Amino acid sequence: DGGITQSPKYLFRKEGQNVTLSCEQNLNHDAMYWYRQDPGQGLRLIYYSQIVNDFQKGDIAEGYSVSREKKESFPLTVTSAQKNPTAFYLCASSNEHYPSYNEQFFGPGTRLTVL
Amino acid sequence: AQRVTQPEKLLSVFKGAPVELKCNYSYSGSPELFWYVQYSRQRLQLLLRHISRESIKGFTADLNKGETSFHLKKPFAQEEDSAMYYCAPMGGGGNKLTFGTGTQLKVEL
Repeated sequence: DGGITQSPKYLFRKEGQNVTLSCEQNLNHDAMYWYRQDPGQGLRLIYYSQIVNDFQKGDIAEGYSVSREKKESFPLTVTSAQKNPTAFYLCASSNEHYPSYNEQFFGPGTRLTVL
Repeated sequence: AQRVTQPEKLLSVFKGAPVELKCNYSYSGSPELFWYVQYSRQRLQLLLRHISRESIKGFTADLNKGETSFHLKKPFAQEEDSAMYYCAPMGGGGNKLTFGTGTQLKVEL
């Protein structure tokens, strides 16, 4: 499995602290995404970026922030303003070129636990 | 609002039995439709997409625009099909996916 990596695999944070989750891809994909996965709720989109230096809010952006300074990297910061940050976070990337047109490739995920 | 409904949280079938995982969507326009699968200890990955009309691992999905459904089917379930399945229409700006809540398929011997 190469392509898209996330670190760390497990992360523990104290309440009131900001924490940054890493997502890197070497697929040369333009678009990158962050999802949150909670039991019984499927995946919900937090932020997405279609191109370097540009990103948009997803459905549940409150309490999160992102940056996209490089094509390969799309870090997610979970701020202390996020009311319920304990969850499994997935990063994905995609491009618009055949044959994987619009297919999203997922990383292995980071499990964040707030103590 | 865009919505995806997968009514079954858990579907348990015997090996060799037919499988149908239901998906209904409420979406503006004509979304592109996908099924993603997550096997135990593996990454979430694309299973199939409507536009390619492929059969992947014996699964097919029929789009019914009248009923706005995109059910996933397989005539004979195998043990290795046990996994979590997500229906995901894509549409709107940014090629965003909207995931359903998922159906856990368990194939028993």
